[in-house]
Amino acid sequence: GNSVTQMEGPVTLSEEAFLTINCTYTATGYPSLFWYVQYPGEGLQLLLKATKADDKGSNKGFEATYRKETTSFHLEKGSVQVSDSAVYFCASRSGTYKYIFGTGTRLKVLA
Amino acid sequence: EPEVTQTPSHQVTQMGQEVILRCVPISNHLYFYWYRQILGQKVEFLVSFYNNEISEKSEIFDDQFSVERPDGSNFTLKIRSTKLEDSAMYFCASSFSGRVNTGELFFGEGSRLTVL
Repeated sequence: GNSVTQMEGPVTLSEEAFLTINCTYTATGYPSLFWYVQYPGEGLQLLLKATKADDKGSNKGFEATYRKETTSFHLEKGSVQVSDSAVYFCASRSGTYKYIFGTGTRLKVLA
Repeated sequence: EPEVTQTPSHQVTQMGQEVILRCVPISNHLYFYWYRQILGQKVEFLVSFYNNEISEKSEIFDDQFSVERPDGSNFTLKIRSTKLEDSAMYFCASSFSGRVNTGELFFGEGSRLTVL
């Protein structure tokens, strides 16, 4: 069945460091891919998405490129801020109503 | 900005008791979902609901679970007889569309259920 695997956290970085959170997927067909973010005390919010191979989703300085050849959708940001501290979830959706989520990766950014 | 709201934020219950988790989706949304996350594990799909009926459910969503949209604004998840393994964070979500390209999910903050 479909699944999403993302790197375990927590990830601790200093402010202005480069961030990569790895995400790989398995799916039949070509799923749409998403990154959701959960800030402390809040619900999951859509950060970015890509619906087909080679698409790049971007938002708030974060980027992720849909790589069919490596079945990956890694999240990157060139310079993280303390306010980026949150839990990040990678997710896929393959034409049904349900999303498949990863376990989430907690990011902590230190000033 | 419209948002999905959930109550209660935290509920503690005894094993075998019934629990109802409540959600108010965004008002013009048509698709409703429940997900859950057991501590340290993946966010898991439970059920989707459209046009007053379940459109899809996972193997987790057995006869102990039910969903209802009683009054056109609330969307509830009922667990009839809670088990220890039902302890989790339960997330409600809604979307305007069920289509892959436009059906962005909007999530609530979650309801943490602790079964003792």
